Amino acid sequence: GAVVSQHPSWVICKSGTSVKIECRSLDFQATTMFWYRQFPKQSLMLMATSNEGSKATYEQGVEKDKFLINHASLTLSTLTVTSAHPEDSSFYICSARDWGSGSGRAFGSYEQYFGPGTRLTVT
Amino acid sequence: GNSVTQMEGPVTLSEEAFLTINCTYTATGYPSLFWYVQYPGEGLQLLLKATKADDKGSNKGFEATYRKETTSFHLEKGSVQVSDSAVYFCALIKWGTGTASKLTFGTGTRLQVTL
Repeated sequence: GAVVSQHPSWVICKSGTSVKIECRSLDFQATTMFWYRQFPKQSLMLMATSNEGSKATYEQGVEKDKFLINHASLTLSTLTVTSAHPEDSSFYICSARDWGSGSGRAFGSYEQYFGPGTRLTVT
Repeated sequence: GNSVTQMEGPVTLSEEAFLTINCTYTATGYPSLFWYVQYPGEGLQLLLKATKADDKGSNKGFEATYRKETTSFHLEKGSVQVSDSAVYFCALIKWGTGTASKLTFGTGTRLQVTL
């Protein structure tokens, strides 16, 4: 199946610094990527939807100036946590949507693949 | 809006026991339904899916049937193994226009299988 990679897998940074997380689709083109945040023992919270070549769409309550998302190519999206604080410590997961092979985009035929996640710890 | 409700965990079972993890959903129309599995320290992997009523998704011995009348998509496995220990997420997607469709996840159910 398709693979989505994230880098780094874990990062520790000091409060006030910025951290960039990369998300790559390795063997397919992803016109849409998603960024999630997962708190311990909780579900995934969608932060934003990123479309290649356009501005990301943020979910309500997510600060767009704090969580900068760039989707410059069909295989790469980045999430930058700016001026990180301890409350930003979390597990960040990206996901990429693959509409599948063949002609056209059949309704309901898409697959969404998830990266392994990045553990961010802000001290 | 759309929502997914899962049974709370953790669920602790002995190896070879029968597994059921309940999942019900709220959505208009006919969403597609999914089960994802998250092993410790890893991201989510699609386990199975069903895209229309009465469809049965299956993979690795796990099964779930899309029940429109009860708005349910319960996950079952006849004989669990220690390697099945993970967190299981039920999810749905209601198709919108273009890329507006987004997955809605349940809170996850942790499964612990012991020898």
